[in-house]
Amino acid sequence: AAGVIQSPRHLIKEKRETATLKCYPIPRHDTVYWYQQGPGQDPQFLISFYEKMQSDKGSIPDRFSAQQFSDYHSELNMSSLELGDSALYFCASSLAGLAGTDTQYFGPGTRLTVL
Amino acid sequence: AQSVAQPEDQVNVAEGNPLTVKCTYSVSGNPYLFWYVQYPNRGLQFLLKYITGDNLVKGSYGFEAEFNKSQTSFHLKKPSALVSDSALYFCAVRDEDSTSYDKVIFGPGTSLSVIP
Repeated sequence: AAGVIQSPRHLIKEKRETATLKCYPIPRHDTVYWYQQGPGQDPQFLISFYEKMQSDKGSIPDRFSAQQFSDYHSELNMSSLELGDSALYFCASSLAGLAGTDTQYFGPGTRLTVL
Repeated sequence: AQSVAQPEDQVNVAEGNPLTVKCTYSVSGNPYLFWYVQYPNRGLQFLLKYITGDNLVKGSYGFEAEFNKSQTSFHLKKPSALVSDSALYFCAVRDEDSTSYDKVIFGPGTSLSVIP
């Protein structure tokens, strides 16, 4: 079965640079979520989109922005990168059901390293 | 506010023995509870979830979890552990009453080691 696709899988950037992470949800899934997982940490929710509209917002820095496109793929844009942004960034997708009951399926993640 | 606790950072169990990974939660409304497993340098894989109904939920790879409302717990169990079960396990919760129900709150994770 098709899974969530994330690209790139690895990304190395310098401080103050920008980065764009892409996420392609499971076909027919209408909701996309972004999470940040620091080393040895649990995933922290950043932001989510349902039907191309932002549906919820977590601990996403102002330097980050995201959007969901007409084909349901999503991009996380990160500017003025800091060393502390080095982490594993996960995208998840789901088919929205009764609020909160849908299962989120995770992609393999993008490992961002900021030097 | 929602929160999830996994009281054990590390669980060691011998292959073939039953395993339990503990999880307790705190929500204001009814909880939606999930277990995910993460292998090294991989994404999180969904194991099972409790939404409503039978307190014993069966999931992937022979895992099951029991929802206990009075103890606010959702412990993950497997009758006979395999070496390949060694991984990081995350319990997660959503609050039915939350206006922010997209947000899944994860526990800190429990590292399971199954010893041959």
